[in-house]
Amino acid sequence: EIVLTQSPGTLSLSPGERATLSCRASQSVRSTYLAWYQQRPGQAPRLLIHDVSSRATGTPDRFSGSGSGTDFTLTISRLEPEDFAEYYCQQYGDSPLTFGQGTKLESK
Amino acid sequence: QLQLRESGPRLVKPSETLSLTCNVSGGSVSSNYYWGWIRQPPGKGLEWIGSIYYSGSTYYNPSLKSRVTISVDTSENLFSLKMKSATAADTALYYCARMGAEYTRYTWFASWGQGTLVTVSS
Repeated sequence: EIVLTQSPGTLSLSPGERATLSCRASQSVRSTYLAWYQQRPGQAPRLLIHDVSSRATGTPDRFSGSGSGTDFTLTISRLEPEDFAEYYCQQYGDSPLTFGQGTKLESK
Repeated sequence: QLQLRESGPRLVKPSETLSLTCNVSGGSVSSNYYWGWIRQPPGKGLEWIGSIYYSGSTYYNPSLKSRVTISVDTSENLFSLKMKSATAADTALYYCARMGAEYTRYTWFASWGQGTLVTVSS
């Protein structure tokens, strides 16, 4: 099973700042099979990015994804108030499909 | 617009079977996508339970495989989850979802239901 470790656990930033979230895999993720989700309190997760760097329909272009192998990054170029939420990475290259434990992005 | 809605008992007794249904509207469960179940214990992260194709082909998380059955009903446009021998550790928000790429089980979760909280307690 591929274990995904996200860091930091909590990230405290202000609106307008740049956020960098990390997702590290215990073994290489096959191809580009990594996605990112945003989950606001009381809501279901929402797909942001798939295939490492492809934005889902409706994802603002301030969100970008990068990485390969075992190290992946979600970057939010300029934080908007609605971006403060929990973020999860997910690999789908191997079974079982697995998620990271999440990064909470909170407003400073 | 595709919508998924989970339904089922909110309270299950220990050792009994947890049963949920995902009703699909605005799309067909017989389309070329896999459909999945994911759960989230209160205050914790996400765990994939299993997925199914309209043909009935299934695949499960090995950690739950012995207790889980996922089925599909194309005539009713829904798919279902059964988890036997429930314990308090199965208390969670249960989500159903449509997976992202056609024809493959190795893909992301594109559309999610709102989730339903199931509590296992006597």
